[in-house]
Amino acid sequence: DAKTTQPTSMDCAEGRAANLPCNHSTISGNEYVYWYRQIHSQGPQYIIHGLKNNETNEMASLIITEDRKSSTLILPHATLRDTAVYYCIVRVADQGGKLIFGQGTELSVKP
Amino acid sequence: DGGITQSPKYLFRKEGQNVTLSCEQNLNHDAMYWYRQDPGQGLRLIYYSQIVNDFQKGDIAEGYSVSREKKESFPLTVTSAQKNPTAFYLCASSGLSGLPNTGELFFGEGSRLTVL
Repeated sequence: DAKTTQPTSMDCAEGRAANLPCNHSTISGNEYVYWYRQIHSQGPQYIIHGLKNNETNEMASLIITEDRKSSTLILPHATLRDTAVYYCIVRVADQGGKLIFGQGTELSVKP
Repeated sequence: DGGITQSPKYLFRKEGQNVTLSCEQNLNHDAMYWYRQDPGQGLRLIYYSQIVNDFQKGDIAEGYSVSREKKESFPLTVTSAQKNPTAFYLCASSGLSGLPNTGELFFGEGSRLTVL
């Protein structure tokens, strides 16, 4: 079973910030939170990851709560090309063990 | 350029035939993975391998087989025992050691198998 839970779908207006939540209440101390997205019929694409501090890169920001039981991926200015399924997963960074994806959140960015 | 390559992109086979999907990576990654995706569904793990000549079953390994004879290659065979083989198959790889190791998964573009 996936160790994360996400809403099934979300809508966002073009140009506005998209905030995608993820619950990971059973996360272990050495597990990172990773976000990927999958555009239809393509391989998933890495977005960002973090352990406990908030992270930002050219694609998105990741906000992790202090207790690390949940996180939010923020796309600051969503575009139509950000329409995709977004997956939140937890894993230990330096191990190649079993990696479980949940159902993800289908984000629709509308004009 | 470094990356992960899956082939073929599209494959049609008759029921009862075994099919082998290729996955090659030149990223010098230790770990490789195979996932299956059905329409409107998330990714489900079939097999994974952390080191050459070793692999473990994922959640839906029945009807599939793999080998890991070389670090860069992790082929998946869909056997006739797999009841519903029509699906989108994704291969991924991940580094295990060395700096910086972000644990990021790199995915191929997928192979779409249709069994007629």
